[in-house]
This record gives sequence, structure tokens and C-alpha cells, in this order.
Amino acid sequence: AQKVTQAQTEISVVEKEDVTLDCVYETRDTTYYLFWYKQPPSGELVFLIRRNSFDEQNEISGRYSWNFQKSTSSFNFTITASQVVDSAVYFCALSMEYGNKLVFGAGTILRVKS
Amino acid sequence: AAGVIQSPRHLIKEKRETATLKCYPIPRHDTVYWYQQGPGQDPQFLISFYEKMQSDKGSIPDRFSAQQFSDYHSELNMSSLELGDSALYFCASSLPGQGDGEQFFGPGTRLTVL
Repeated sequence: AQKVTQAQTEISVVEKEDVTLDCVYETRDTTYYLFWYKQPPSGELVFLIRRNSFDEQNEISGRYSWNFQKSTSSFNFTITASQVVDSAVYFCALSMEYGNKLVFGAGTILRVKS
Repeated sequence: AAGVIQSPRHLIKEKRETATLKCYPIPRHDTVYWYQQGPGQDPQFLISFYEKMQSDKGSIPDRFSAQQFSDYHSELNMSSLELGDSALYFCASSLPGQGDGEQFFGPGTRLTVL
């Protein structure tokens, strides 16, 4: 079975602080895909990144960066110099292959205070 | 760019009534997924369709049914509504086997059962 664990239920930071959201996954498959989604208070799910199991290269996109480590089954997400607009629920998700359902973690509520 | 369209955006029903949610995928996307997100919960996979055939099934109640039509739009039919059906229902679409495997989410339909 596939499982995604986001141990941090809620994180509060002050603007400009860096924050890391943890994600640990479980799967027996060798081919899988990992995702991060942002859900702002308005409710929509915003795609942030996708990674396949064969690509452990870390990625940086502006203030966002992701660290994928197969050895620890982790796919952590770091926001540098956080801003109030980053306040949202962040979900890590896993799928087995293209065209397959997403299994979501419980989500981490991020609150960025000014 | 065209996005996934869901209608209605908000729906209020009484217990034991029926509801129909509609999803219009991005043009040329042939796979549709339905997810249910209860208050404070992560999205849970309900069902998916590929080329108008059911491709996968999750924890969808027997009171719910869904189908994908010839124009690839999908409808989720919910009968004998219960209070616990109050949730945000997301539809997502994708073009499996091509692109980066990303599922594009619609804005969601917020169903409230009174």
C-alpha cells in the first residue's frame, strides 16, 4: 500500500523566515511520482512540483526548493524568506504511475505572520 | 489557457436529496479523476475514468455513481445525501502517457448537506 506522512500538522513562522515542510512516503513500487500541492484559503489546489522516482536531483524554483532523498523516502519542501501569501495548506502526494490516482498526506498548515 | 471546469461551484442540499456534480476536463485530456475533501481533511480519491471507461475506484460510497461521456466531461451523481457528504469535491484531468503526468485540478464544488 502507498502512504504519505506529513508529520507537521501546523507551522507558524514570521515573515522572511525559512521553513521546511516534511514529507515521508511509503511504497513498494520502484516507479512512482511525488507531488506538492498548495491549497490557499480560497480552496483550490495549486500544483507546485512533480518528481519521478528516478530523478533525485534537487530542484529550486524561486523561493521554493525541494529535497528528494530515496534513502530516507523523503521529499521535503523548503520556502526561503517566507511571505504572508505563502500561508496555506500544503499537501504532499504520491502516485504509482501516469494516469494513476494521487494519495495525499494529511497536509501541513503553514501560517506566515507579518 | 483552458482549465478544468466544475459546476456548480457551490451546492446546498437537504438530507436524502440527490446531487449531480459536473466536470469538464481540459481539451484533449481523456482521463478524469474525482476526489472528496472533507473539512480539515486531505483529498480522498473516489473514482477515475479513462477514455470513458472506469479506470480505478477508491472509497466511493455505493450511493454515488459517476460516468464519463463521449465529449469527455464527467458527472458525479450522489443520492440519499447524508450530512457526512458535505465536502469539497475536486475533479482533475490529465493526458496519461504524455507530458509530465500532472493532474490538473478544477476549482472544486463545495457541497453542503443540511
